[in-house]
Amino acid sequence: DAKTTQPPSMDCAEGRAANLPCNHSTISGNEYVYWYRQIHSQGPQYIIHGLKNNETNEMASLIITEDRKSSTLILPHATLRDTAVYYCIVRVGDTDKLIFGTGTRLQVFP
Amino acid sequence: GAVVSQHPSWVICKSGTSVKIECRSLDFQATTMFWYRQFPKQSLMLMATSNEGSKATYEQGVEKDKFLINHASLTLSTLTVTSAHPEDSSFYICSVWGSTPYEQYFGPGTRLTVT
Repeated sequence: DAKTTQPPSMDCAEGRAANLPCNHSTISGNEYVYWYRQIHSQGPQYIIHGLKNNETNEMASLIITEDRKSSTLILPHATLRDTAVYYCIVRVGDTDKLIFGTGTRLQVFP
Repeated sequence: GAVVSQHPSWVICKSGTSVKIECRSLDFQATTMFWYRQFPKQSLMLMATSNEGSKATYEQGVEKDKFLINHASLTLSTLTVTSAHPEDSSFYICSVWGSTPYEQYFGPGTRLTVT
């Protein structure tokens, strides 16, 4: 299974962009990159996913490098409510499994 | 609104007893559901894949006789922790894939405390 590597923690000032990196150097050609976040004591919340192209939705943007070995989640204007643990996940091949890594704890400060 | 619900949201039980956790898919039928466990300050660990009408598939290292999974309908999967012990105290979360194949929805979780 492709593994992901993320920094354990990051800080971001409110109103600024939060850029969360993820390394997935062993990803296979048909494996999607997913991002979820988890606020304390809640179930994970879907943010965005992508295969090859950059993606954007109302929550965030996902930038995937051309070789697909890494990606960056961008929260364009972080708010205090964005404080959470962010998980970068590679969907396992043709299965439906999502295998979580250790995640990045993002702290947004005023 | 909520797509996946879990019941109960928290439960306390005595060591040696069994406890059942329900996971319901509210908006669509789910032939497959997933069960995760999360210890404090740790990531989610996939325990098993629940398959409607057939046996669950357990991840390596998860005791199938201890964590009984039943997926009797397309909207309900249950996880029973048998003969619970304090080390089973954890946050249990279920999930389902949505009607489009791209987003997995997670339940709010059930916090189990075994005394």
